[in-house]
Amino acid sequence: DAMVIQNPRYQVTQFGKPVTLSCSQTLNHNVMYWYQQKSSQAPKLLFHYYDKDFNNEADTPDNFQSRRPNTSFCFLDIRSPGLGDAAMYLCATSWGTGFGAAFFGQGTRLTVV
Amino acid sequence: GENVEQHPSTLSVQEGDSAVIKCTYSDSASNYFPWYKQELGKGPQLIIDIRSNVGEKKDQRIAVTLNKTAKHFSLHITETQPEDSAVYFCAASRGFKTIFGAGTRLFVKA
Repeated sequence: DAMVIQNPRYQVTQFGKPVTLSCSQTLNHNVMYWYQQKSSQAPKLLFHYYDKDFNNEADTPDNFQSRRPNTSFCFLDIRSPGLGDAAMYLCATSWGTGFGAAFFGQGTRLTVV
Repeated sequence: GENVEQHPSTLSVQEGDSAVIKCTYSDSASNYFPWYKQELGKGPQLIIDIRSNVGEKKDQRIAVTLNKTAKHFSLHITETQPEDSAVYFCAASRGFKTIFGAGTRLFVKA
């Protein structure tokens, strides 16, 4: 089945130690998104790629970066994780010029110790 | 800034009853309104969506209505089942920007 796959499902990192989360998709969608979801809250958009074009939300901290080496893969890099960055990170994809994020991965739950 | 208000935050219904969740959006340029179901420990799953040129859409037990003038949209689930228990998010989109409501935790009691 075509899908959005996130690895790992659970990630524990040390305070200040860089961490990378990965996302792959078999849907061949041209748009990929990264969302942050804290406990009992709505997902919050961090940034998205439209093809190779990177679009950062205005309130996304500089600590968060992203890479999209090809259509299928997208990475979220957190350069110096703080305790406040502990959350579920969701990757999503869509097709076209934008009708929102239609397909989400299962998420990566990040714990910072 | 743009926001989406969602009510109620918690909803408990008896199996077989209907459930209604209501949302209001502020950005009049929003043109796409998806609804997501999120089960514990999983990513949101798109269950139904509606575009701004449509007033109502139905898919089996789920229906969504949109009132563009009032900037309201609602999710209706009929004949609820225990497996409908989850958190439901409404959202309003314009281009690549999607704003989510705060979520409704639905409990369906058997």
